[in-house]
Amino acid sequence: RKEVEQDPGPFNVPEGATVAFNCTYSNSASQSFFWYRQDCRKEPKLLMSVYSSGNEDGRFTAQLNRASQYISLLIRDSKLSDSATYLCVVNNDRDDKIIFGKGTRLHILP
Amino acid sequence: EAEVAQSPRYKITEKSQAVAFWCDPISGHATLYWYRQILGQGPELLVQFQDESVVDDSQLPKDRFSAERLKGVDSTLKIQPAELGDSAMYLCASSSIPGRRDGYTFGSGTRLTVV
Repeated sequence: RKEVEQDPGPFNVPEGATVAFNCTYSNSASQSFFWYRQDCRKEPKLLMSVYSSGNEDGRFTAQLNRASQYISLLIRDSKLSDSATYLCVVNNDRDDKIIFGKGTRLHILP
Repeated sequence: EAEVAQSPRYKITEKSQAVAFWCDPISGHATLYWYRQILGQGPELLVQFQDESVVDDSQLPKDRFSAERLKGVDSTLKIQPAELGDSAMYLCASSSIPGRRDGYTFGSGTRLTVV
């Protein structure tokens, strides 16, 4: 089993729709979780950290379920500019090792 | 906003040649990572430094790859000899301690093409 697994893509979603990404991780010792966004041929950029209580930033909501070792990202009212690859990132704080998922490509359709 | 500097942005090299990439992390960031990202895949860790010490290089192909961070600040990743399969984006990232809640900042990457 891979350490971090994400939904296979691509997701083709009409503008204005809600889209959800899922991610599972295998290391129960993982402590920090993030969603990164990566545009084509660019470096990954932090979208948001994921907190145990769940957190929201505008149209973006992140959830963490430690028992199921599952992370999610919800994008509401999707915009054309949301088209990108979304990477799930998990960190084992003890050794500061960060593991990336393969990413899920999102295409928002006009 | 503080940035991680990487150079060069693009590099084309012939197979069997040597190539080197440079990274200057955000000032004060003790942890530095080198990642390789093949098109369509997520970044894969090559080497992790804590100050000048290697913390994890288990995925670094040591027969041809080397990395150093002599003074615990900037870092160099070298490939010798380069192979066709090394064509990828090489990303450098840094983080502070503590700082995990801030995530990790990536440089713009070096896109390597081996011909």
